[in-house]
Amino acid sequence: NAGVTQTPKFQVLKTGQSMTLQCAQDMNHEYMSWYRQDPGMGLRLIHYSVGAGITDQGEVPNGYNVSRSTTEDFPLRLLSAAPSQTSVYFCASSYAWTGSSGSSYEQYFGPGTRLTVT
Amino acid sequence: LAKTTQPISMDSYEGQEVNITCSHNNIATNDYITWYQQFPSQGPRFIIQGYKTKVTNEVASLFIPADRKSSTLSLPRVSLSDTAVYYCQGDTGRRALTFGSGTRLQVQP
Repeated sequence: NAGVTQTPKFQVLKTGQSMTLQCAQDMNHEYMSWYRQDPGMGLRLIHYSVGAGITDQGEVPNGYNVSRSTTEDFPLRLLSAAPSQTSVYFCASSYAWTGSSGSSYEQYFGPGTRLTVT
Repeated sequence: LAKTTQPISMDSYEGQEVNITCSHNNIATNDYITWYQQFPSQGPRFIIQGYKTKVTNEVASLFIPADRKSSTLSLPRVSLSDTAVYYCQGDTGRRALTFGSGTRLQVQP
């Protein structure tokens, strides 16, 4: 299994350009999510999906769109890039299992896409 | 959305035990508490998870009190390779899995 893959690894955009960050997983996980991590900071949730055809906003959704047409893929679109979107973007997927106590979401993360907007 | 609070940084020496506590705001009643480790230029990776009381695996222990308002990650006898950022994961029940700012652990020789 390749796990979670992200492309590209690096990207430089000019202000106002649009692009799509790709994310794919081959573990048949229902749950997928996108995070951004600014230098020296923690992870902030952008958008997430609990299954194909279902998406929801996270903590910092403005300026980003997502769609989930298949279980495997969860692309993130930057509509009009701004310097404030310079960051490392991580995609993650997880299965959810429910035991006698509760539900578990162990996320598997991709290697990240380092985006610079000038 | 759920917010978790952790210390920003901690320092330790090789061979010591390190305990990192996370406060969980609005943790979903039925969700496990999960911790991750992140090295520079890599995505986070799962360390341990639990629902309540104590859980132990080959790398760490996790202590969760009965009220589940906090959790403590315990790393026994740390080594230089444990220098990393550690995150606890929160969820309000909407499956919006959020992280705190992370705790940067620096292990000295």
